[in-house]
Amino acid sequence: QKEVEQDPGPLSVPEGAIVSLNCTYSNSAFQYFMWYRQYSRKGPELLMYTYSSGNKEDGRFTAQVDKSSKYISLFIRDSQPSDSATYLCAMGEDTGRRALTFGSGTRLQVQP
Amino acid sequence: DGGITQSPKYLFRKEGQNVTLSCEQNLNHDAMYWYRQDPGQGLRLIYYSQIVNDFQKGDIAEGYSVSREKKESFPLTVTSAQKNPTAFYLCASSPSTGGYQPQHFGDGTRLSIL
Repeated sequence: QKEVEQDPGPLSVPEGAIVSLNCTYSNSAFQYFMWYRQYSRKGPELLMYTYSSGNKEDGRFTAQVDKSSKYISLFIRDSQPSDSATYLCAMGEDTGRRALTFGSGTRLQVQP
Repeated sequence: DGGITQSPKYLFRKEGQNVTLSCEQNLNHDAMYWYRQDPGQGLRLIYYSQIVNDFQKGDIAEGYSVSREKKESFPLTVTSAQKNPTAFYLCASSPSTGGYQPQHFGDGTRLSIL
């Protein structure tokens, strides 16, 4: 079983829809949670960063962390065709030198 | 503009050949990383470096080598011992290592076998 599970999609939605992207994880030591957006043939770019449980909002994006369920979500409101990309979740532990652990990514297509 | 530059964008390797992928950053970050990305498998850590002249193996280091002679540079060599090198290679950096540090990525090098 992978430490971080993410549905690969593709997820296809109409423009203006609310999108929900999710990751589950098994390592209870994860305390830091990130979402990256990756356009085709480009490197991932950081979208959201949260610590421990709770919500964080930035414009049309909201990140939620539920540590009791080991479940994180990214919501995109009023989705746009420019949001079409692969979304990767990433997680990190509080201590040590361990680098981030990434999900495999969900491909999102927003249809105009 | 601060960022990470990877070159070349595309690289082709012949059988038995070693190839080197370049990664340069001007973010003044101490930590640098190399990942391999295959379809459906996410990012897998090859090597990382916390500081100049020091580096550690990641999850899939076999068939790869790195050096860190300068803070801003972390080249990756894909050796002939790596039997399945076709993949998208991503370099990243962060102020230091640790799970609390978000990483910043370059735009990758796509390596293919001739």
